[in-house]
Amino acid sequence: DVKVTQSSRYLVKRTGEKVFLECVQDMDHENMFWYRQDPGLGLRLIYFSYDVKMKEKGDIPEGYSVSREKKERFSLILESASTNQTSMYLCASTRQGMATEAFFGQGTRLTVV
Amino acid sequence: QKEVEQDPGPLSVPEGAIVSLNCTYSNSAFQYFMWYRQYSRKGPELLMYTYSSGNKEDGRFTAQVDKSSKYISLFIRDSQPSDSATYLCAMWKGGGNKLTFGTGTQLKVEL
Repeated sequence: DVKVTQSSRYLVKRTGEKVFLECVQDMDHENMFWYRQDPGLGLRLIYFSYDVKMKEKGDIPEGYSVSREKKERFSLILESASTNQTSMYLCASTRQGMATEAFFGQGTRLTVV
Repeated sequence: QKEVEQDPGPLSVPEGAIVSLNCTYSNSAFQYFMWYRQYSRKGPELLMYTYSSGNKEDGRFTAQVDKSSKYISLFIRDSQPSDSATYLCAMWKGGGNKLTFGTGTQLKVEL
């Protein structure tokens, strides 16, 4: 019954590395999102996409980029990882006009050393 | 000031207690109010949502919205150890795609 799948549960990367986080959903949802979750700060939106090849910046896009080449797949890219990007990253998807029900992946715990 | 404020807890209660979790918000444009539950090392999952003011009940869970006070609550009756999780409130204006989340309240229900 898996609906949103993130490629890794745990990742450890070195400062300066290029990091790819992958997310796949099987619900044919139009919208996909990347959040980061930090203690005391909650979920903060990095980027979202409402269609293939379309993207919009969220609240904290600096240091990140995204790619959506297929409807079911949304990738988050850290161009040059830094220690302040150590966080839990969560992918989510919703049907267009149905933001009341977001489906989340299990999260990727990224540590940058 | 954050748009959505939520006490982070932790909140510890005995099994069987009634739990009250709350969020306040500042933006009167919010129309839909959601509660998500997040177990440790998992992604959030939707518990329930309400539109505008009023109550909504689902089993042991009741969501309450008071738009005049900009205050929402989630009540859990007969709390169980399996309810131990972080509870996040989320809000949506009804247009666009962006949700605004609270920081989450960590709940522990003890035997």
